[in-house]
Amino acid sequence: KAGVTQTPRYLIKTRGQQVTLSCSPISGHRSVSWYQQTPGQGLQFLFEYFSETQRNKGNFPGRFSGRQFSNSRSEMNVSTLELGDSALYLCASSFHLAGSTDTQYFGPGTRLTVL
Amino acid sequence: AQSVTQLGSHVSVSEGALVLLRCNYSSSVPPYLFWYVQYPNQGLQLLLKYTTGATLVKGINGFEAEFKKSETSFHLTKPSAHMSDAAEYFCAVSGERLAFGKGNQVVVIP
Repeated sequence: KAGVTQTPRYLIKTRGQQVTLSCSPISGHRSVSWYQQTPGQGLQFLFEYFSETQRNKGNFPGRFSGRQFSNSRSEMNVSTLELGDSALYLCASSFHLAGSTDTQYFGPGTRLTVL
Repeated sequence: AQSVTQLGSHVSVSEGALVLLRCNYSSSVPPYLFWYVQYPNQGLQLLLKYTTGATLVKGINGFEAEFKKSETSFHLTKPSAHMSDAAEYFCAVSGERLAFGKGNQVVVIP
């Protein structure tokens, strides 16, 4: 069974630009969660999508948005990039919602650098 | 809201020595607890998890963790450290979302 895939793996953008990251979950998984990982703040929850609906959202500004398609693939978008948005963005998938006993399976992440 | 505390961001251990990583949780409901490992330039991989039942949980790579409700703890141990155990380890508690601790960077000294 293929794991969670994320594209692209590396991305360099400049301040003010916008970026779209993609995540393909494990086949059959309906939940996709996104996390931002930085050395200072650690792993922070961005949002979770389940059956194309946003079910939960972390404490991030509206510049961070996402969506999920009918095949469970998910994208997240960051508009008006700031230097502080430089981070590793991880997506994770599970069959049930994140609050269950299900294991969340993580992708390798997208390393975003904002110059 | 659920939360997790991991003390000591960097942990150094000699090869062959005991690995002990501490995790304390806060949860208003019976918790589901997880330990994940992250190798450089990779995502997180599940080591083990506790949901219900047996409080001593065995995971991959020789790791195990014990759920102690009275101490609100879920410490991770491995009897003998190997060089390949050098990585970052995260404890997490599941509530309406998965809440992670700050992580422990483990360095194994030959």
